[in-house]
This record gives sequence, structure tokens and C-alpha cells, in this order.
Amino acid sequence: AQSVTQLGSHVSVSEGALVLLRCNYSSSVPPYLFWYVQYPNQGLQLLLKYTSAATLVKGINGFEAEFKKSETSFHLTKPSAHMSDAAEYFCAVSGGITDKLIFGTGTRLQVFP
Amino acid sequence: ETGVTQSPTHLIKTRGQQVTLRCSSQSGHNTVSWYQQALGQGPQFIFQYYREEENGRGNFPPRFSGLQFPNYSSELNVNALELDDSALYLCASSLAGTGDIYGYTFGSGTRLTVV
Repeated sequence: AQSVTQLGSHVSVSEGALVLLRCNYSSSVPPYLFWYVQYPNQGLQLLLKYTSAATLVKGINGFEAEFKKSETSFHLTKPSAHMSDAAEYFCAVSGGITDKLIFGTGTRLQVFP
Repeated sequence: ETGVTQSPTHLIKTRGQQVTLRCSSQSGHNTVSWYQQALGQGPQFIFQYYREEENGRGNFPPRFSGLQFPNYSSELNVNALELDDSALYLCASSLAGTGDIYGYTFGSGTRLTVV
């Protein structure tokens, strides 16, 4: 069975501050891990994915995530927040690159000027 | 290259009615998955279609059914609508069987409201 837990349903940061969104996973098979972003009234956009290659994954819009097997974590970071980063972020796990996705409950990121 | 398109964008139905949602896959993709996203929740997997056959199903009752057509477009049908079916329904396409590394492409969703 697979699952993800996103710690913190809401995160608020100031513009220019570090963004850290937490995700822990549980998987009985080597996981594929994803971060998606959802803007209001829109679908999901892939930020980045881990597919057992490099443990530090760089994505779009300056985001990156590090796969830590010992901690079963895949936290999302961005060095400097921008107002346009305000959105809902979802961590997801699957057993294969096109296997069904199991999503977390999401973290809403607010960015203050 | 076109993305995933879903129709309609918004829909209001009455409890007990039936609804059909449509999805056109991204060009070149052969697999379609449907997800239900209730307000304030993460998306939940409904089912996946590959080569016109159901290829995996989540914990949804049989009144949720689907079709995939030879052009890889898809429909999601929900019978006997209940108030709890109100949600954003997301379609995602992918290319299976060739080791595609890009995973899923999501559409913008259909917002279904059941009153």
C-alpha cells in the first residue's frame, strides 16, 4: 500500500523567504514521487518528479525536492518565494511512472508582500 | 501538441440524475485516468483506461463508469447522482507501454455541482 502525508495544510511566507513544504511517503515498492501545483479553478501542473535517478530533483519555477529514503521524505523547497507561487501544492506517490497516483491532502501556500 | 481538454467546465445537476463528462487526451497518449477532487481535498483515483479497457479502479461504486474510444478520448459517467458527488473531476492522460518518462498530463477539470 502507498500513501503520502503532507504536514501543514497552510504555510505562509513573506516574499523572498524560503519555501519549505513537507511530504512523507509510505510505499512497499520503490516509489515514484511527484509534486503538483494547482492554481484556483485549474487542473494540476507537474512541478517535478523523482523516478529513482538523482535524489535531488530540480523542477520548474525554481522549485526542487530531495528524496531521502532514510527519512521517507520528499520535501519541496524554493530559496526565494514569489507572489506568483501562492497556490495549492500536492505531493503524490505511485508504483510506476504511469501507475495511479495517490495524493496527499495538499498544502496551501500564501505569500505575503 | 495539444494538451488534455475537458468538457464541460462547469455543470449543475439534480440529485438522482445522470451525468457524462468528456476528456480529449493529449496527442500521442494512449491511457486516460479520472480523478475526483472534493473541495479542500487531494484528488482521488477513480479508474484508468488503456486501449479501451478498464485498467485499474479506485474505491468508487459501480455507478461510476467510463469509456475510452479508439481515438483515446474518454467519458466518465455517473448515475444516480448524490450530493457528495459534487467535486472537481480531473482527467489525466499518459503514454503507457513505451517507458515514457513524463508521466501524466492533467486537464483543467469539470466542476460538478449536485443540488
